[in-house]
Amino acid sequence: RKEVEQDPGPFNVPEGATVAFNCTYSNSASQSFFWYRQDCRKEPKLLMSVYSSGNEDGRFTAQLNRASQYISLLIRDSKLSDSATYLCVVNGHRGANNLFFGTGTRLTVIP
Amino acid sequence: DTAVSQTPKYLVTQMGNDKSIKCEQNLGHDTMYWYKQDSKKFLKIMFSYNNKELIINETVPNRFSPKSPDKAHLNLHINSLELGDSAVYFCASSFSTLQGYTFGSGTRLTVV
Repeated sequence: RKEVEQDPGPFNVPEGATVAFNCTYSNSASQSFFWYRQDCRKEPKLLMSVYSSGNEDGRFTAQLNRASQYISLLIRDSKLSDSATYLCVVNGHRGANNLFFGTGTRLTVIP
Repeated sequence: DTAVSQTPKYLVTQMGNDKSIKCEQNLGHDTMYWYKQDSKKFLKIMFSYNNKELIINETVPNRFSPKSPDKAHLNLHINSLELGDSAVYFCASSFSTLQGYTFGSGTRLTVV
């Protein structure tokens, strides 16, 4: 079983739409959770950390459900510039400094 | 100033050759990593170094060897390159996984 699993998409949504991505992780001992964004032919960049209480950064809201080992990212009022691949990331069990990346969910925002 | 820089950006080479990719970070981070992103875009950790000590060595072929002269540098040497080594290799650094990683811009390796 993969450490992190996410729906690869693609998600094609119109500008202004709200879109949600989900991922599940396999290690119940994981303590660090993130969403990264990766544009085509670029490096992954940290979008936001995910905290147990949930957190919001502008149009982006991240949620963590430890009981279900499930993480979500909600994007409101989608912009064309939100088009990218969103990677769900979880720290692993083999050592403290080891992050596992999901395969990513591709989002395209359409004018 | 580039936080994590890796060179070269593109590398095209023939099978059987030996090549190196360099990585440097100016963030003062304790740990550096090499990740491989294959054609399916899956990012998989290869190595990490913490204070010049290898702390994770995933099941990569021993043709790949990381070398860290100091905590700001982690270079990747690849011997006897194979077609399947073609991928994008990302260097990254962090203080800890609690803060996430900062990635370099990647090296696109093509083995022909």
